[in-house]
Amino acid sequence: DAGITQSPRHKVTETGTPVTLRCHQTENHRYMYWYRQDPGHGLRLIHYSYGVKDTDKGEVSDGYSVSRSKTEDFLLTLESATSSQTSVYFCAISDPTYQGTGELFFGEGSRLTVL
Amino acid sequence: GQQLNQSPQSMFIQEGEDVSMNCTSSSIFNTWLWYKQDPGEGPVLLIALYKAGELTSNGRLTAQFGITRKDSFLNISASIPSDVGIYFCAGQLGGSNYKLTFGKGTLLTVNP
Repeated sequence: DAGITQSPRHKVTETGTPVTLRCHQTENHRYMYWYRQDPGHGLRLIHYSYGVKDTDKGEVSDGYSVSRSKTEDFLLTLESATSSQTSVYFCAISDPTYQGTGELFFGEGSRLTVL
Repeated sequence: GQQLNQSPQSMFIQEGEDVSMNCTSSSIFNTWLWYKQDPGEGPVLLIALYKAGELTSNGRLTAQFGITRKDSFLNISASIPSDVGIYFCAGQLGGSNYKLTFGKGTLLTVNP
């Protein structure tokens, strides 16, 4: 199993509060991603990072920000959580030099409930 | 952006039956990947396909990269109860773009 740890694994918060999810990897992979998974929508990319301090938006980035100050850590922040951000969040990693073309490996997910 | 149409959305089969699911896209992909997700866990990579026409097996699983590069299918032979889960296809444009576009998944239920 790829060394990916997400924290917290479960969180319940109230609308308007800030929330930060952390992804930590021990694989030294260059790329890191945050996805959200919702019924009927599958997995949708929020933000991704292609190196330390290098990040870009995905398809559902509104309301989210990310930071990557070290290769091993990728943080997802909800500045002011809304009920529509209730979801399961997955971190993933990849490396273009691993298996050749950047296959993604996923963490176990963080379930966030915004009341 | 790119969209993947994955079908069927769900399947309910008897143990021992073969299963087939597929993904189609209006875009050309350079890589197709198939993932399985068990309840409460993250998706796990099953098969990766890199060339148009490529047919790859992983145990009872077989996947093919469509010749047009716009589709892929996954077959599971002689299904067993532990095959239960959600199966996702994913396409990757390749080059310097490593983002994946995911299908919405096929929920497989296997009746013992």
